[in-house]
Amino acid sequence: EAEVAQSPRYKITEKSQAVAFWCDPISGHATLYWYRQILGQGPELLVQFQDESVVDDSQLPKDRFSAERLKGVDSTLKIQPAELGDSAMYLCASSPRGGGGRETQYFGPGTRLLVL
Amino acid sequence: GDSVTQMEGPVTLSEEAFLTINCTYTATGYPSLFWYVQYPGEGLQLLLKATKADDKGSNKGFEATYRKETTSFHLEKGSVQVSDSAVYFCALSGGNNDMRFGAGTRLTVKP
Repeated sequence: EAEVAQSPRYKITEKSQAVAFWCDPISGHATLYWYRQILGQGPELLVQFQDESVVDDSQLPKDRFSAERLKGVDSTLKIQPAELGDSAMYLCASSPRGGGGRETQYFGPGTRLLVL
Repeated sequence: GDSVTQMEGPVTLSEEAFLTINCTYTATGYPSLFWYVQYPGEGLQLLLKATKADDKGSNKGFEATYRKETTSFHLEKGSVQVSDSAVYFCALSGGNNDMRFGAGTRLTVKP
């Protein structure tokens, strides 16, 4: 069964350092999502891509966060500089292209970030 | 905007007990509704879904029915096992694929 791949699984960094997370969606899935999940809460959307284009980045803290999906396949999420409050699980998900939305999203295992 | 409210946990049950986790939603239009499960240290796995009113989603003994009249999608299982211990998230997805999650309910099943 096809899965969403993420790396690394765990990352420990010091505040003010740069970190990057990678995601490879299920083959053929046009839509890719990055979520942040704070411990004890549900995931919150950071950015949504349709192919290589950003569809929604309204909740992305653009002063320190950036995301790209240059060829419309895999994606990278970067934080620079990291702050203590960025400690969380970062989840990537993908869904097939479909008209009208309401699609199932398939999640990767996540990257757990700890900022010291 | 669209939102999901699910019962607060944690929920602790004995093995073979009946499980209900309540979920209600607020949405414009006709969203799809989902239950995801998250095991410790892992990502979210789709448990079941329903795409229109009166649909029943089911998987691994879990069921939930899309009730438009009560805007609810409660999760039920007749006999829980220790292996069902996890965090359960109710979610909805509207016309722009913007998925909104509840806060999650932690279930612990004791032998």
